[in-house]
Amino acid sequence: SYELTQPPSVSVSPGQTATITCSGDKLGDKYASWYHQRPGQSPVLLIYQNTKRPSGIPERFSGSNSGNTATLTISGTQAMDEGDYYCQTWDSSTLFGGGTKLTVL
Amino acid sequence: QLQLQESGPGLVKPSQTLSLTCAVSGGSISSGGYYWSWIRQHPGKGLEWIAYIYYTGSTYYNPSLKSRVSISVDTSKNQFSLTLRSVTAADTAVYYCAREGLWFGDPTSNWFDPWGQGTLVTVSS
Repeated sequence: SYELTQPPSVSVSPGQTATITCSGDKLGDKYASWYHQRPGQSPVLLIYQNTKRPSGIPERFSGSNSGNTATLTISGTQAMDEGDYYCQTWDSSTLFGGGTKLTVL
Repeated sequence: QLQLQESGPGLVKPSQTLSLTCAVSGGSISSGGYYWSWIRQHPGKGLEWIAYIYYTGSTYYNPSLKSRVSISVDTSKNQFSLTLRSVTAADTAVYYCAREGLWFGDPTSNWFDPWGQGTLVTVSS
């Protein structure tokens, strides 16, 4: 069965760039979406169809998808960006990655 | 602004049936173009997609849950519902409903936005 693999945790200093990866077999041939979840809150869509940002999502969030890896890049990371990040794709049904905990320190 | 709100019992006994409803406001399920989904999150864990339904009644289920799950829609009430049979402690989770977007009806291009606030369902005797 298809799997999406994310690093369990990523740390970044305020103002720096955070990169969160999501790996899967030939993931670049599929669409990837990204979500941010703060503790106790519902996930929020950040990126869909690899690179598109919903209205209201800051430009510092960007996505790419090529080969076996989809990447979420957060430029100028802020303390409010802490939380869990999930990638998502579709392979026979919807799949989510295991999540990456972003710490801003 | 579209909003989704889950409702249902917070406690279900093992072997019984879990039933949840998602009320949609600020938009009509019948307008088409979107699927309506249920997703769950086990405590401290990641996300698991359960099922979707279209306003016409067309459905699709996670193969791992298909034998125990049903999803239905009531367009007159602008809501959709989830039924999960024969629950065990492993079904304890926060259950979210969400609108599922698609690119020209292509399910492989899907995304979820917005999400409901989620409801915690505990399976325990």
